[in-house]
Amino acid sequence: AQTVTQSQPEMSVQEAETVTLSCTYDTSESDYYLFWYKQPPSRQMILVIRQEAYKQQNATENRFSVNFQKAAKSFSLKISDSQLGDAAMYFCAYRIQDDKIIFGKGTRLHILP
Amino acid sequence: EADIYQTPRYLVIGTGKKITLECSQTMGHDKMYWYQQDPGMELHLIHYSYGVNSTEKGDLSSESTVSRIRTEHFPLTLESARPSHTSQYLCASTLSTTTGELFFGEGSRLTVL
Repeated sequence: AQTVTQSQPEMSVQEAETVTLSCTYDTSESDYYLFWYKQPPSRQMILVIRQEAYKQQNATENRFSVNFQKAAKSFSLKISDSQLGDAAMYFCAYRIQDDKIIFGKGTRLHILP
Repeated sequence: EADIYQTPRYLVIGTGKKITLECSQTMGHDKMYWYQQDPGMELHLIHYSYGVNSTEKGDLSSESTVSRIRTEHFPLTLESARPSHTSQYLCASTLSTTTGELFFGEGSRLTVL
């Protein structure tokens, strides 16, 4: 079965500091896509960053970057210079071949002023 | 922001009522999804559609039904609501490309008394 595991239900980080959210997944496929989504309180879920499994280079979007370790099936999200607006639930997700996207249980991130 | 809309945003109804949650997107996406999410919790896929007249049940068993008569419209119906149906329902869509990014609506929060 395809699974996505986020082992940190909640995390806190001081404003302007760096935080890393972890995600592991299980798959037998060689080509797939991984995503991090952000869900702010009472607001729309939005895509933060995506990674194609065939690309060795880690994806980066401004203050957000990933550490993709294909052999270890690990896909962590690093947020640099944390801001109050980064407070949200973060979901790691994996796209399987028939286009269903499987989500992890989420990590609630608190930003401490 | 993504052009995907859900109505109503909030609904409080009594047990036994029939309800329909509306979801519409103006992006021409062929794939559409319904997720159920309890507050602060993980997303569970309950229905998806790969195009007009295509509907499939997701990983979480649900008493709701869906239809896809038009590309842009993917309503979810509960024939007889019960308190156990109290939850947030998220609609999402994507285009059949390799990016796999889902665009989400703002959600419909249903409370059944």
